[in-house]
Amino acid sequence: GEDVEQSLFLSVREGDSSVINCTYTDSSSTYLYWYKQEPGAGLQLLTYIFSNMDMKQDQRLTVLLNKKDKHLSLRIADTQTGDSAIYFCGRSGGYNKLIFGAGTRLAVHP
Amino acid sequence: GAVVSQHPSWVICKSGTSVKIECRSLDFQATTMFWYRQFPKQSLMLMATSNEGSKATYEQGVEKDKFLINHASLTLSTLTVTSAHPEDSSFYICSARDQGGYTFGSGTRLTVV
Repeated sequence: GEDVEQSLFLSVREGDSSVINCTYTDSSSTYLYWYKQEPGAGLQLLTYIFSNMDMKQDQRLTVLLNKKDKHLSLRIADTQTGDSAIYFCGRSGGYNKLIFGAGTRLAVHP
Repeated sequence: GAVVSQHPSWVICKSGTSVKIECRSLDFQATTMFWYRQFPKQSLMLMATSNEGSKATYEQGVEKDKFLINHASLTLSTLTVTSAHPEDSSFYICSARDQGGYTFGSGTRLTVV
């Protein structure tokens, strides 16, 4: 998905906050999503945000959307080793397609 | 919540044979399902949109004769990799549109030897 971009790797210490960033080019996206993928598994929906919202919080997860800059971020508070995974940013596109970025591999170390 | 069942979870086949992967929505009807391919360096590529009762819509660069998609019922879509070759080895994931967004299957690891 060349129109959705993410940094490929993030390393954080256990207990710190993680911030995963995503940029996209298509401003017509209605919903923006964050999915988590653990090794050898499918994708698990973490959260999503409607395009007319600026922020959404769900327990340890905070999503920020800057629609003007087409920038989406996912903040994970108090990151734990179980949070180690690949995180995909996705946007809804035409014909209900879900287009992903390349994924950010989050490594949590003690 | 919505559940999508995908199987097999892994398959090894000989070069030149065909492999069928099934994707089922267990507790909801899905008129639209999607097939993705995940490459070793983790990126997910949308291959095609599977439409119940009509032809699938393929993304640019995806060979429709190579990757046959059938969506004959509201709960089942199948992807058949025809005349598989080692370069088709990959992780294939399906998803279905539901009320909450998109639910994904657990993926199929295909290895062609």
